Amino acid sequence: DAGITQSPRHKVTETGTPVTLRCHQTENHRYMYWYRQDPGHGLRLIHYSYGVKDTDKGEVSDGYSVSRSKTEDFLLTLESATSSQTSVYFCAISETGGETQYFGPGTRLLVL
Amino acid sequence: GENVEQHPSTLSVQEGDSAVIKCTYSDSASNYFPWYKQELGKRPQLIIDIRSNVGEKKDQRIAVTLNKTAKHFSLHITETQPEDSAVYFCAATFNQAGTALIFGKGTTLSVSS
Repeated sequence: DAGITQSPRHKVTETGTPVTLRCHQTENHRYMYWYRQDPGHGLRLIHYSYGVKDTDKGEVSDGYSVSRSKTEDFLLTLESATSSQTSVYFCAISETGGETQYFGPGTRLLVL
Repeated sequence: GENVEQHPSTLSVQEGDSAVIKCTYSDSASNYFPWYKQELGKRPQLIIDIRSNVGEKKDQRIAVTLNKTAKHFSLHITETQPEDSAVYFCAATFNQAGTALIFGKGTTLSVSS
């Protein structure tokens, strides 16, 4: 597996609280992505980054924000978590964007 | 918005049979089409990919075909084995720069021995 880690791996939180998920890579890849995976929906893109401080929205970006202050870290923040954001979150990296994406191990988030 | 349709959602085959999963995409500018395999509780892993300038690609028991005119591509697995049981996802590039992917909803393949 490519050098990608996600933290935390599991989290339980309450509705209305802020949550930040971290993706860390050691591959020095330019592109980083955040997906959520829900039964029956496959993998849906939340936000992605094409460089430090360069980000763009995906298909399900409402309620999420991201930041990338250095190449190796891409943070996903739920400003005020809702039960509909209960999901498995995957980070992915890609060297050139239009090439293979390598996925992290995932974070299971439960919002009560 | 852009879309990738994947069929079937579930597929059951006997060991040794072939399995075919089909995807259609809406963005005519899509130029990269990967396939991922995801085992239960694990991360998606790339198994094969194809670019728009190629019609077919093969890697041992798996192959992918692409029909750009019809905007569809397919995954073919021959001589299936129980370890092929997993969820398979197709994807296509969809943004103007071709740097992001949109995924199909997945096919659960079950191979019984």
